[in-house]
Amino acid sequence: NAGVTQTPKFQVLKTGQSMTLQCAQDMNHEYMSWYRQDPGMGLRLIHYSVGAGITDQGEVPNGYNVSRSTTEDFPLRLLSAAPSQTSVYFCASSAPGRYGYTFGSGTRLTVV
Amino acid sequence: GENVEQHPSTLSVQEGDSAVIKCTYSDSASNYFPWYKQELGKRPQLIIDIRSNVGEKKDQRIAVTLNKTAKHFSLHITETQPEDSAVYFCAALGGTGGYNKLIFGAGTRLAVHP
Repeated sequence: NAGVTQTPKFQVLKTGQSMTLQCAQDMNHEYMSWYRQDPGMGLRLIHYSVGAGITDQGEVPNGYNVSRSTTEDFPLRLLSAAPSQTSVYFCASSAPGRYGYTFGSGTRLTVV
Repeated sequence: GENVEQHPSTLSVQEGDSAVIKCTYSDSASNYFPWYKQELGKRPQLIIDIRSNVGEKKDQRIAVTLNKTAKHFSLHITETQPEDSAVYFCAALGGTGGYNKLIFGAGTRLAVHP
C-alpha cells in the first residue's frame, strides 16, 4: 500500500493562476479531508468528504473547490491563487469507525 | 462549530522530565480525541487517541486523559527523550457540525534538552 499520495510536493504559482492539488489513497478509505498548515495556526480544515459524491466545507473553504468522483481521489482546486494561500497542504484519509486519520506527505505551495 | 484550544504553545524540558500538554474543546458532542506528532518537515503521525467513553489511556511513556464534564483532555509524556522533540497537535472529532470533521488545536512545540 502506498497510503495517501499527494502531488506535487512543491509548487510556485503566480497570483491569479489556478491549479489542482492531487490526493489519492489506496486503502479504500471513505473519509478524506484537506488541511492547510500555517505557522502558529495548526492544521485548519478546508473541505472534507465522507464518500464518493459527498463533500462539505470545513473551517476555511473560501478560494478552494473539491470534488469526489471516486473513493480513491480527492483533488483540491485553487480557483485564482492569492498570496494568502501560501501554505503547506495536507490530505488525510480514514476508514469509517476507525477514526484515526492517515496523512499524506504534503504539498508546499508558494503564491507570488 | 467545534473550537479546540491548546496550551502551552511551546514547552521546554530536560531529558527524563515529564511533559504535559492540555487541550479544551467547545462542542460537547465531540467523541474522539487524537494526538498527533509532527517532526520538522514531516507529516503528522497519530501517536495516541481516546474515545469519549474512556477516561484514560496509556501506551508506554505516553498517556492521555479526558474529562468530558470540563471538556478538556491532556497528553502526558514521561521520561522524555530528545527524540520526543516535535510539534504535538490535539484534535477533536464528531461534533454537531459534522461527524467526520476533525478539528485541530494550534500545536505545542516540545523541546527536550539532553
